[in-house]
Amino acid sequence: KNEVEQSPQNLTAQEGEFITINCSYSVGISALHWLQQHPGGGIVSLFMLSSGKKKHGRLIATINIQEKHSSLHITASHPRDSAVYICAVKDSNYQLIWGAGTKLIIKP
Amino acid sequence: EAGVAQSPRYKIIEKRQSVAFWCNPISGHATLYWYQQILGQGPKLLIQFQNNGVVDDSQLPKDRFSAERLKGVDSTLKIQPAKLEDSAVYLCASSWDYRGEQFFGPGTRLTVL
Repeated sequence: KNEVEQSPQNLTAQEGEFITINCSYSVGISALHWLQQHPGGGIVSLFMLSSGKKKHGRLIATINIQEKHSSLHITASHPRDSAVYICAVKDSNYQLIWGAGTKLIIKP
Repeated sequence: EAGVAQSPRYKIIEKRQSVAFWCNPISGHATLYWYQQILGQGPKLLIQFQNNGVVDDSQLPKDRFSAERLKGVDSTLKIQPAKLEDSAVYLCASSWDYRGEQFFGPGTRLTVL
């Protein structure tokens, strides 16, 4: 069993829909990252959080430390949001453990 | 604020040749990371620097890969000689310190023929 599990693996939705991507982890962490990767390689850091909730534009990330679970939400989704979304946790040694990613496709 | 810069963006070489990648982190960031991402997989940490010292290079294939960060700013990653299985995207990232949020460069896509 992977230490960081994401669901779903793939998600296709229509423009405007509310999107939720989930991340569960089994190790002790110092922080959790949500990152975005577009085709062609570049990775963009969206959030780093260790408690509660963060919001940036149409993106919201929440974390429940007790349940070892985080969610990334996208409101009013747009085709440009199509990308791979990756959950990664910093373990007690501050090393990143990566989830497998969720491939999101938003259709116009 | 300028982001993490990497060059070249793309490189095609033949096996057994040598190649070098360059990374310029965000100004003031003490920690620099090199990752290898093979198509369809998550990034794998190759080496982590804190200023100009190596913190973790446990997954660096030291028989062919080397990296340096001589003045604690820019870094280079070298592969000599390259193998077919080295084809990947090489990502550089930096953070304020080892606990901080990592910011990634655009990556260098290496193809070994």
